[in-house]
Amino acid sequence: EPEVTQTPSHQVTQMGQEVILRCVPISNHLYFYWYRQILGQKVEFLVSFYNNEISEKSEIFDDQFSVERPDGSNFTLKIRSTKLEDSAMYFCASSPEDYGYTFGSGTRLTVV
Amino acid sequence: AQSVTQLGSHVSVSEGALVLLRCNYSSSVPPYLFWYVQYPNQGLQLLLKYTSAATLVKGINGFEAEFKKSETSFHLTKPSAHMSDAAEYFCAVKVGGADGLTFGKGTHLIIQP
Repeated sequence: EPEVTQTPSHQVTQMGQEVILRCVPISNHLYFYWYRQILGQKVEFLVSFYNNEISEKSEIFDDQFSVERPDGSNFTLKIRSTKLEDSAMYFCASSPEDYGYTFGSGTRLTVV
Repeated sequence: AQSVTQLGSHVSVSEGALVLLRCNYSSSVPPYLFWYVQYPNQGLQLLLKYTSAATLVKGINGFEAEFKKSETSFHLTKPSAHMSDAAEYFCAVKVGGADGLTFGKGTHLIIQP
């Protein structure tokens, strides 16, 4: 069964550093998403991406965050200057239409 | 705006007993509803989804859920719990026109031998 692949599975970064989280969505999917889950809390929507542009973003997704689909297969989330509170599990998801989500296994980001 | 409430952060059942995980939603328009399962240190796996077809939805691993508009509920059930069902379960709602899913806080299902 097709999978959404996320790398790395765990990333440790120093506060203030830039970090890029990578995702390879399912190849025929059109919609791409990032979610995050702070430890012990619920999963929160960050951003959706369709037709090479952001289609919706939450209030969490401020100017420190950006997304990109650089080469037609990867989908990346960049955090420009990480803060301690950015420590979380970040999930990528993709969908062939607007409600058939498949999630990746996540990247655990630890900001120290 | 839509919201999801999962009653009970922890639910404990005996192996072989009925599993019932509760989810109520709030939405001003007909929603799409989802249940996801998360095993320790893993991602979110879709159990089942309601997208305005049949109100009783069957999913993987013997789970099912019934959409009840009058009660704004989408409770998850399984007739007989198995040890392997121990995990975190999330209910989520999506309203057409909004891209993102809104998740509940999750219910940790514990299976007693």
